[in-house]
Amino acid sequence: DGGITQSPKYLFRKEGQNVTLSCEQNLNHDAMYWYRQDPGQGLRLIYYSQIVNDFQKGDIAEGYSVSREKKESFPLTVTSAQKNPTAFYLCASSGAALLNAEAFFGQGTRLTVV
Amino acid sequence: SQKIEQNSEALNIQEGKTATLTCNYTNYSPAYLQWYRQDPGRGPVFLLLIRENEKEKRKERLKVTFDTTLKQSLFHITASQPADSATYLCALDDTGGFKTIFGAGTRLFVKA
Repeated sequence: DGGITQSPKYLFRKEGQNVTLSCEQNLNHDAMYWYRQDPGQGLRLIYYSQIVNDFQKGDIAEGYSVSREKKESFPLTVTSAQKNPTAFYLCASSGAALLNAEAFFGQGTRLTVV
Repeated sequence: SQKIEQNSEALNIQEGKTATLTCNYTNYSPAYLQWYRQDPGRGPVFLLLIRENEKEKRKERLKVTFDTTLKQSLFHITASQPADSATYLCALDDTGGFKTIFGAGTRLFVKA
């Protein structure tokens, strides 16, 4: 089954801890994205990557870090510097920009600070 | 500043009627605009993409229009059903298509 998989579905973090959210895709897509969604708000772009070993900051990158060592994988680390990390995190992938822009989303990870 | 605006108020309609959702944008020049459906606790699912040189696109009961002069897209669901109840997000490309930016979405309720 082709698709994009996020794990875990639910994640609890203690204050001051770093946590890493996993995102894997087997769609052979070049571009991958991380979005954050808060209640009543749209998806806000955290980081995106157009190609392996390259990534760019989105609109709310502070307190987050990513890596893109493999085409299939784009993990997101929520660091202790992120002051309000409780949110629903969505990973997406898409083909070549402008030509095949449809984004495929994972099922999301709900992160809660305890 | 750049903005994508969708009605924040929920849209309530009767089954069988046409639902029309609006997406307005400011200070973007998108090459395309997309519409997604999102159910509670799930990731968005792609519905339709319309390019800047297309005025209208249809898929089954769905129709999207794109007016680059008005900077507006309209999303229509004809013969609506309770199963169409969801949040609908519009999205457009920024920076030459390398980033996809989303609106906050409009919640649609279809009553039987």
